Formats: sequence, structure tokens, C-alpha cells
Amino acid sequence: NAGVTQTPKFRVLKTGQSMTLLCAQDMNHEYMYWYRQDPGMGLRLIHYSVGEGTTAKGEVPDGYNVSRLKKQNFLLGLESAAPSQTSVYFCATHAGLGLTGELFFGEGSRLTVL
Amino acid sequence: GQSLEQPSEVTAVEGAIVQINCTYQTSGFYGLSWYQQHDGGAPTFLSYNALDGLEETGRFSSFLSRSDSYGYLLLQELQMKDSASYFCAAPPRAPNYNNNDMRFGAGTRLTVKP
Repeated sequence: NAGVTQTPKFRVLKTGQSMTLLCAQDMNHEYMYWYRQDPGMGLRLIHYSVGEGTTAKGEVPDGYNVSRLKKQNFLLGLESAAPSQTSVYFCATHAGLGLTGELFFGEGSRLTVL
Repeated sequence: GQSLEQPSEVTAVEGAIVQINCTYQTSGFYGLSWYQQHDGGAPTFLSYNALDGLEETGRFSSFLSRSDSYGYLLLQELQMKDSASYFCAAPPRAPNYNNNDMRFGAGTRLTVKP
């Protein structure tokens, strides 16, 4: 089992370009999350999904869009990248927080916007 | 902003005991989770306190007091490999409370010295 897989792992963009990060999970989890991590800021929630076809805003949703067309995939899109979106992006999943409180994380995607 | 407060840095020596505190402003009955993250890696789950009291898992223990909005992670018999960042996590405070929305503290960087 791969668990949670993020692609791509590294990407360099120019300001104004668009891109999509893919998170794929093989654990049959309902809940999926996208976080960004900047130095000294911890993890900040961008968007999340509680099931196929659903999405919700987190703490810092501006400049990002998401889609959950299939249960196993959660896509994070940047329509017009800005230098402020330079960060490490983590996808996470869980089966149900009330059960164990455990989120399973992907390895991260390092994005640089020039 | 973040509703979970942690010290930014802690330093200790091998073999010692260290406590990392987390004060939080959340509502609802969801407890407090702890994660470890080594440099360049993804966060990994350590423990979850659903109820008040102490949870022990090997060298690591975690404590929660919901009446005091306070928890801590206790690391015993410190080893060099414990040098990492540690995050507490919980849903956000009311009126934004949603037990599917997981927020993280800014993290505590633990340095273990010989």
C-alpha cells in the first residue's frame, strides 16, 4: 500500500502560471486535507473534504481551489500563482477524527513561485 | 489566527525528560493530538487524548485537561533522534468549530544535545 501519495514533489512556477497538485490515497478514507507549511508558521489548513463531491474552506483558502471528484483523489489548484504561495504543501487523510485523532500525511510537495 | 499556543523552542540533553506544553482555545468534545516532524519530512502522528488524563505510549506520554484548555507532550529518556518539531492539533474554536477541521499549533522545535 502506498498510503498517501502527492505529485509532483517539486515544482518551480513563474508568477501568474497555474498548476495542480494531486493527492491520491489508497486507504479508503473519507476525509482529505490540504495544508501549507511555511517556516515558523506550522501547518495551515487550506481546504478539506469530508467525502467525494464535497469541499470546504479552511484557514487560508484564498488563491486556491480544490476538487474531490473521486474518493481517492483530492486536487489542489493554483489558478494564478504568486510568490506568497511558495511553500511546502502537505496532503493528509483520515478515516474519522473521533476514532483515533490520527491524520496520515503525504511526503509533501515543495512549490517555488518566482 | 492560530488558537493553539506552544513554545517555539526547547533544548534538552540525552537521557533527560522534556515537557512541551500546548494551550488551546477550542470548543466541542474533540481532544488534542500530537505530531512529530523531522526536518524535510512529513508530520507523523504520536498520540491523541480524547479524554482528560494521561495517555502513555512507550517513552512518550500526552496529557489533556479540557477544563484548563491545556495539554502537554512528555518525552522521557531523550535520544538524539527525538530532535524534531512537535505540533499539537485540534479543531478551531467557536464560532468556527467543526470537528472535521483540524488546526495545528506553530510547533515546538526540540533540540537534544549529547
